[in-house]
Amino acid sequence: GAVVSQHPSRVICKSGTSVKIECRSLDFQATTMFWYRQFPKQSLMLMATSNEGSKATYEQGVEKDKFLINHASLTLSTLTVTSAHPEDSSFYICSARDKRGGLNEQFFGPGTRLTVL
Amino acid sequence: SQKIEQNSEALNIQEGKTATLTCNYTNYSPAYLQWYRQDPGRGPVFLLLIRENEKEKRKERLKVTFDTTLKQSLFHITASQPADSATYLCALDGDSGNTPLVFGKGTRLSVIA
Repeated sequence: GAVVSQHPSRVICKSGTSVKIECRSLDFQATTMFWYRQFPKQSLMLMATSNEGSKATYEQGVEKDKFLINHASLTLSTLTVTSAHPEDSSFYICSARDKRGGLNEQFFGPGTRLTVL
Repeated sequence: SQKIEQNSEALNIQEGKTATLTCNYTNYSPAYLQWYRQDPGRGPVFLLLIRENEKEKRKERLKVTFDTTLKQSLFHITASQPADSATYLCALDGDSGNTPLVFGKGTRLSVIA
C-alpha cells in the first residue's frame, strides 16, 4: 500500500514555542491530506482538511491561527502548533487518500507525539 | 449529529476463537465503511473497505459485513492469535471525494494464549 511518513515522530518542547510537523506521501500524490489529534484512549478527532494550493478547512472548535496548516505540494503538508501549551500535548496523525485504481483507501502516517512542558 | 458506536471498549478472547467486533452508526448514510487496526503509539493501518452495496468482504482471516438497514458493521477475526491484539477502529466514509473519515472510539482486542 501507499506510504505516508511523518516527522518528527516525537517532540518535547517548552510552553510558548512553536512546533512544525511534516506529513509526506512517499509514493503517490495527495491533493488532500487530513490532520487528526488523538488523546489517550480516545478516538481520532479530525482537526482539519488540507488541500494542495488552497487554505485548509478546519473543524469546529479548532483554532486556525493556532494550528497552521500548509499544503505546499502534492506530497507535503505541514502542521505548525504555534505558542504551544501543555494542553496541546497529544498524538498528531496525518493521513492522505490514494485514489489510484479507483480505491478510496486512506493511509495514515505513524503519528507525532507532542509533549509540551 | 453523526454518531458511531463500537460496542465495547475492550474485548478479551481465547486464542483460536473468532473475535467479533461491532460498529453501529446513526444519522449517517456512508458510501463506504472501513476498518483499521491501531497499535499503541502508532497511526492506524487500513484493513478492509466495504461499499454500501456490498454485504460481505473477506481478506485472509478477516471478514466484514455491512448492513445498511441495521446501520451496522460486524468485523470478524477467525482463528485469532495473540498478534491480533490491538485496537480496531471503524470509520465511515461519505463518498469517493475528499470528505474525511469519521472514526469510532475503537475496541481494544486482547487475544489470550
